[in-house]
Amino acid sequence: GQNIDQPTEMTATEGAIVQINCTYQTSGFNGLFWYQQHAGEAPTFLSYNVLDGLEEKGRFSSFLSRSKGYSYLLLKELQMKDSASYLCADMDSNYQLIWGAGTKLIIKP
Amino acid sequence: ETGVTQTPRHLVMGMTNKKSLKCEQHLGHNAMYWYKQSAKKPLELMFVYSLEERVENNSVPSRFSPECPNSSHLFLHLHTLQPEDSALYLCASSQEGLMGHINEQFFGPGTRLTVL
Repeated sequence: GQNIDQPTEMTATEGAIVQINCTYQTSGFNGLFWYQQHAGEAPTFLSYNVLDGLEEKGRFSSFLSRSKGYSYLLLKELQMKDSASYLCADMDSNYQLIWGAGTKLIIKP
Repeated sequence: ETGVTQTPRHLVMGMTNKKSLKCEQHLGHNAMYWYKQSAKKPLELMFVYSLEERVENNSVPSRFSPECPNSSHLFLHLHTLQPEDSALYLCASSQEGLMGHINEQFFGPGTRLTVL
């Protein structure tokens, strides 16, 4: 089967750190993507993991554990502009993306 | 600017109308996608075109009809839609077939469709 789970909504404080988790169960795996989507805008690519471990890119990092079917997106030094939905998607054996419903992140001052 | 444009940005139509959504990508990609995004639901892949041929049709009702005249343009023709078809329709493109390439998808801003 194919299933992506991530929390519906999270709240964090400006300047803090937040971790958004994603679990997946697919019949094939060709990598895990994270996208950011601001309200009313297009999703934009953040990160891609295909091997286990942590990929760091500025304030954002993404982690993957293939054996656990688990990924997380870590956002540091949160800024108000980070308020958005964060979409987790895994690429299946047909190289198509299977998407989660997204996590709406609310940043408070 | 993501390199993928969509028109119109907003569309209101009755159930008996016929309309078309347009997508254009300026990235030189060889694959294009239509997605449906409803509130609090995962993105639903509708159609995939690779090298201008449809390679995926995820059991989409026939009232949605895609057209890909060339690698830069993608249309979604709509007719006799239902109120439950109201959603954000997103177009995306990617470059397929490159070994070692991430093949991330680049999205357009979407068309917000309301069916009355």
